[in-house]
Amino acid sequence: AQKITQTQPGMFVQEKEAVTLDCTYDTSDPSYGLFWYKQPSSGEMIFLIYQGSYDQQNATEGRYSLNFQKARKSANLVISASQLGDSAMYFCAMRESGNQFYFGTGTSLTVIP
Amino acid sequence: DGGITQSPKYLFRKEGQNVTLSCEQNLNHDAMYWYRQDPGQGLRLIYYSQIVNDFQKGDIAEGYSVSREKKESFPLTVTSAQKNPTAFYLCASSTSRGRREQYFGPGTRLTVT
Repeated sequence: AQKITQTQPGMFVQEKEAVTLDCTYDTSDPSYGLFWYKQPSSGEMIFLIYQGSYDQQNATEGRYSLNFQKARKSANLVISASQLGDSAMYFCAMRESGNQFYFGTGTSLTVIP
Repeated sequence: DGGITQSPKYLFRKEGQNVTLSCEQNLNHDAMYWYRQDPGQGLRLIYYSQIVNDFQKGDIAEGYSVSREKKESFPLTVTSAQKNPTAFYLCASSTSRGRREQYFGPGTRLTVT
């Protein structure tokens, strides 16, 4: 079974609008971390936001927020007020108790002016 | 400036040759990782190391080898046994405690002909 599932290969959003990128995960480990990364066309992976499995509140970092629904095992990324520079690939990832990470297949986001 | 460096950015080799990709970090991180990314795909773990002189195979270790003689360095050798070595290779590091988010280098694009 896939540890991380991203079902949206590509998404489009109008500039200044909000967009939600979906991510579901599969683990039986009670202690885990969830991460979102952005990969621009240059290739480098940029860390955006983190949610711990025991965190009670949804994580926020500037225009990024993580909609964490533990019972549904989902960790959707919400980008508010999209900008042209947000166009990139976005990857959801999970770390279980050990140090190994699992990445999803990514969602390509295009911001339309 | 703290960060991760990978060199070179582009690498070309003939089939049958071994090639070593460099990864250096000055973040004082204990853990280091190597990933492979093929076009339009997510990241797949090749090897990871949680401490000097110790490393573990990831999901696609066949045809690759690593060493971890210094905390700062985690070179990856792509051997001639790797069937399809042409890919984008990303190195990452993280702490061993707390959130353990991974920080990535800029990547090396390897082309084997």
